[in-house]
Amino acid sequence: DTAVSQTPKYLVTQMGNDKSIKCEQNLGHDTMYWYKQDSKKFLKIMFSYNNKELIINETVPNRFSPKSPDKAHLNLHINSLELGDSAVYFCASSARRSRGQNSTDTQYFGPGTRLTVL
Amino acid sequence: GNSVTQMEGPVTLSEEAFLTINCTYTATGYPSLFWYVQYPGEGLQLLLKATKADDKGSNKGFEATYRKETTSFHLEKGSVQVSDSAVYFCALRSTGNQFYFGTGTSLTVIP
Repeated sequence: DTAVSQTPKYLVTQMGNDKSIKCEQNLGHDTMYWYKQDSKKFLKIMFSYNNKELIINETVPNRFSPKSPDKAHLNLHINSLELGDSAVYFCASSARRSRGQNSTDTQYFGPGTRLTVL
Repeated sequence: GNSVTQMEGPVTLSEEAFLTINCTYTATGYPSLFWYVQYPGEGLQLLLKATKADDKGSNKGFEATYRKETTSFHLEKGSVQVSDSAVYFCALRSTGNQFYFGTGTSLTVIP
């Protein structure tokens, strides 16, 4: 019963290609996220998304775009891949609470997709 | 604004040593605080959490207390094991429902 799953686990591709990473959660959460983790383990938020709001980290190049066919899925599309895109990408999800309420909900992470751009 | 600062690693300890990984935060309102652990080759897993001041989160022998007066949430374990070798992330969830992570602290426990 995988809570947050990602495919593929490993992705090796050439510079300039376009690729997608898929993410699915079966937790009934309404907010999903994409993170990039570099070789030093630094975790950078790229996007957070629910059915009403997409929040983009302004440092993310517009070659990266999230696509959500439904609440349980948030896929990451990357156009014109560059060497610096090599990293591990994590999907995560959480339940959203209204502003002002004391939320106790946790963010659950997928196993990661290791992207290598050659 | 909101942010999390945690002590830089890497940290190397002998088995059965005492562990402290410092974490301090800046936040408006009353955030929830978390420690996540990432074992080699895996995703992040929740280790423990605390939702209000003076709460203590605990799991697998690890503890952290939400200290509002010092804006801290330090992670401690009395006796580490080789299997605790991992990267540990401190995080907060703001009252605006945004998550903020620290830079991670790598822990290696040697037999």
